[in-house]
Amino acid sequence: QKEVEQDPGPLSVPEGAIVSLNCTYSNSAFQYFMWYRQYSRKGPELLMYTYSSGNKEDGRFTAQVDKSSKYISLFIRDSQPSDSATYLCAMTPYSGAGSYQLTFGKGTKLSVIP
Amino acid sequence: DTGVSQDPRHKITKRGQNVTFRCDPISEHNRLYWYRQTLGQGPEFLTYFQNEAQLEKSRLLSDRFSAERPKGSFSTLEIQRTEQGDSAMYLCASSAGLAGRTQYFGPGTRLTVL
Repeated sequence: QKEVEQDPGPLSVPEGAIVSLNCTYSNSAFQYFMWYRQYSRKGPELLMYTYSSGNKEDGRFTAQVDKSSKYISLFIRDSQPSDSATYLCAMTPYSGAGSYQLTFGKGTKLSVIP
Repeated sequence: DTGVSQDPRHKITKRGQNVTFRCDPISEHNRLYWYRQTLGQGPEFLTYFQNEAQLEKSRLLSDRFSAERPKGSFSTLEIQRTEQGDSAMYLCASSAGLAGRTQYFGPGTRLTVL
């Protein structure tokens, strides 16, 4: 079992839909959680960053962390065709060995259809 | 702030040749990271530097790989005796400060080994 599981999709939604992207993880030491967006043949772009459990909102994006379930989510409201990309979850422990190594999911490929 | 830059953006080489990639982090970022990403997968950690010190190396970083950050600014990643399995996107990221978990990625260098 990989440390971080993410459904690779592809996920196709109509413009304006609410998108839900999810990751599960097995390492209870993970404390920092990030979502990156990656367009084809480009580097990952940081979208959201949360520490420990709870919600964080930034414009159309909301990140949720449920540490009890080892489950994180990214919601995109009013999705746009420009949101079409691969979304990667990433996480790292608070301290100790590996605390600066991001462990990524495989990424979910999202297409928003006009 | 011009972001993380990487050079070259693309490299095609023949099996057995040596290649070197360069990464320039965001200025004043003291941590610099190298990751490798293959098609359909999330980035995988290779190594990271705090200033000029290489603090962690993944088991993915075989003896044919070497990374340096001689003056704590730019970094180079060299692959000796390239193999077809080295074909991938090589990503560089940087972060700053005591928290430093939020890593900002460059555009990547795409390596193709023929």
